[in-house]
Amino acid sequence: GAGVSQSPRYKVAKRGQDVALRCDPISGHVSLFWYQQALGQGPEFLTYFQNEAQLDKSGLPSDRFFAERPEGSVSTLKIQRTQQEDSAVYLCASSLYEGLSYGYTFGSGTRLTVV
Amino acid sequence: QKEVEQNSGPLSVPEGAIASLNCTYSDRGSQSFFWYRQYSGKSPELIMFIYSNGDKEDGRFTAQLNKASQYVSLLIRDSQPSDSATYLCAVYNNNDMRFGAGTRLTVKP
Repeated sequence: GAGVSQSPRYKVAKRGQDVALRCDPISGHVSLFWYQQALGQGPEFLTYFQNEAQLDKSGLPSDRFFAERPEGSVSTLKIQRTQQEDSAVYLCASSLYEGLSYGYTFGSGTRLTVV
Repeated sequence: QKEVEQNSGPLSVPEGAIASLNCTYSDRGSQSFFWYRQYSGKSPELIMFIYSNGDKEDGRFTAQLNKASQYVSLLIRDSQPSDSATYLCAVYNNNDMRFGAGTRLTVKP
């Protein structure tokens, strides 16, 4: 596609519910990143994929967070047993290049609200 | 100390003025530096990147980098109301992009 596509655009989850957020990067982009952006803050790194390999997951806040990119294109970020502190916008970004970055293209994000 | 520091603002300038946005970073090994613009409720969009010390100009935007001082800035000339947004500074090193909290800019007509 022309841009990075994320779905759903908005998600309201009851505390304790599991959620799955989808990211469809720009075709051919090797690198894929997930970020979490709380209100009034900059994006915080969660995890990074190079093709299907998850090379860095150091930003995942707990073992309730899990990400995958099994075929090196679409990625899913899963949050188990959601908590109120998980409420944020989850941004996916992709980059054509591996290694040195020339900047990312972000998707529109998924706004998650845990009630 | 945060890895990427920005003045949260709000920074208010009149239309036609120069807006100056500043950013400092802590990692001396940082390789490249980015400015993203984020409108309220929207995702960040890349407007400038710079790798080398000095100035880089693109239209009304100029990025300035001083690695010795660990300082990067963005100048917006002839500011327009449509420039009103939050500007995020991002610093990259080894597949790790770190963002500042952003500076909110308001350009008043």
